[in-house]
Amino acid sequence: DAGVIQSPRHEVTEMGQEVTLRCKPISGHDYLFWYRQTMMRGLELLIYFNNNVPIDDSGMPEDRFSAKMPNASFSTLKIQPSEPRDSAVYFCASSLRATSGNEQFFGPGTRLTVL
Amino acid sequence: AQSVAQPEDQVNVAEGNPLTVKCTYSVSGNPYLFWYVQYPNRGLQFLLKYITGDNLVKGSYGFEAEFNKSQTSFHLKKPSALVSDSALYFCAVRDKAGAWGGATNKLIFGTGTLLAVQP
Repeated sequence: DAGVIQSPRHEVTEMGQEVTLRCKPISGHDYLFWYRQTMMRGLELLIYFNNNVPIDDSGMPEDRFSAKMPNASFSTLKIQPSEPRDSAVYFCASSLRATSGNEQFFGPGTRLTVL
Repeated sequence: AQSVAQPEDQVNVAEGNPLTVKCTYSVSGNPYLFWYVQYPNRGLQFLLKYITGDNLVKGSYGFEAEFNKSQTSFHLKKPSALVSDSALYFCAVRDKAGAWGGATNKLIFGTGTLLAVQP
């Protein structure tokens, strides 16, 4: 398996622009997580899905952020409009069903820079 | 609420010496505990987990962790450190069941400990 795939790997944009980050989870995994990592705040969970349904979006910083999972093999995280304080590394992770405490598998991340 | 604490921001150790990265937890019920490693410019990689059973858990790259219920700790260890072990290490605990009563794979991560192994 190719693991969790994220695109793009790097994104540089200007303040006010829309940014869309993409994630393909590992085939067969039914949980998908979006995280943000910064030096100041460390690793933050933004939102997670189970069977394509958003379960907990309490970590989404504000209405400028939205996430979707239209099918089991694809998810997007959108920021509109983007701001410099959104600059961070965004990770997507996936895992198999929860009953046995399965670990999460992380993608390589998208490094977002908002100028 | 479930939580983990990593009391050390950084651990320095000489190559060949044993290393320990500390983690303590606070949970209701039985904990599901995890260790992850993050190399520079990479995503987090799973190292090992404790679910139940033997208190000493063995994982990838020669790492192991000891679950201690009385001390609510889950310290990561390695008998002989390598320079290539230098990375950021995260401890995590599985969150409690969701409001609907089902199990969840949501993890609560610690703040991370930077391990620096000197040659």
